[in-house]
Amino acid sequence: QKEVEQNSGPLSVPEGAIASLNCTYSDRGSQSFFWYRQYSGKSPELIMSIYSNGDKEDGRFTAQLNKASQYVSLLIRDSQPSDSATYLCAVDFGNEKLTFGTGTRLTIIP
Amino acid sequence: DTGVSQDPRHKITKRGQNVTFRCDPISEHNRLYWYRQTLGQGPEFLTYFQNEAQLEKSRLLSDRFSAERPKGSFSTLEIQRTEQGDSAMYLCASSYQGYEQFFGPGTRLTVL
Repeated sequence: QKEVEQNSGPLSVPEGAIASLNCTYSDRGSQSFFWYRQYSGKSPELIMSIYSNGDKEDGRFTAQLNKASQYVSLLIRDSQPSDSATYLCAVDFGNEKLTFGTGTRLTIIP
Repeated sequence: DTGVSQDPRHKITKRGQNVTFRCDPISEHNRLYWYRQTLGQGPEFLTYFQNEAQLEKSRLLSDRFSAERPKGSFSTLEIQRTEQGDSAMYLCASSYQGYEQFFGPGTRLTVL
């Protein structure tokens, strides 16, 4: 069974601080990992993809992948109120489709 | 706008009626996916196409569900004899060769 686990939150972070979101997955052979942001009532928006071990930075966002530990994380620096959303971790287990976690609800406190 | 589009955005129907949704992918994308999302859950895979070929269907996709992509461009998802349990957000996504998937705005279905 291919599974993606996330802490559902809610996670509350003060404005300007670093938000850290975590995700674990069940298959060590997985190759592709994605973070999506979803505002209430809207569809998921791709914000980061990562394919190899290590860190990948894009603006205020950093994705971190550790395949040995089957762990992927998303860091949001200088958190803004507009970052308040549900963050979905998605994994392609090599079967041509995405398996999503249930998402972590993030609230940035002004 | 060159993103994924879906129509309608909202659909309210009575139990037992048939509904059809349309998805137009990003023009250069050859793969098209359908997902379903219920409140508090992540999207769940339903089916996907590479060009006009439907390559996989989830066990979630009962016989009442059918999807087509006749010319390898837009796709339709039909639900026959709708049930209250079909109420959800139906999401379409597209990608080039299975890389990053980009979602459309979704169609929210309410079955009364």
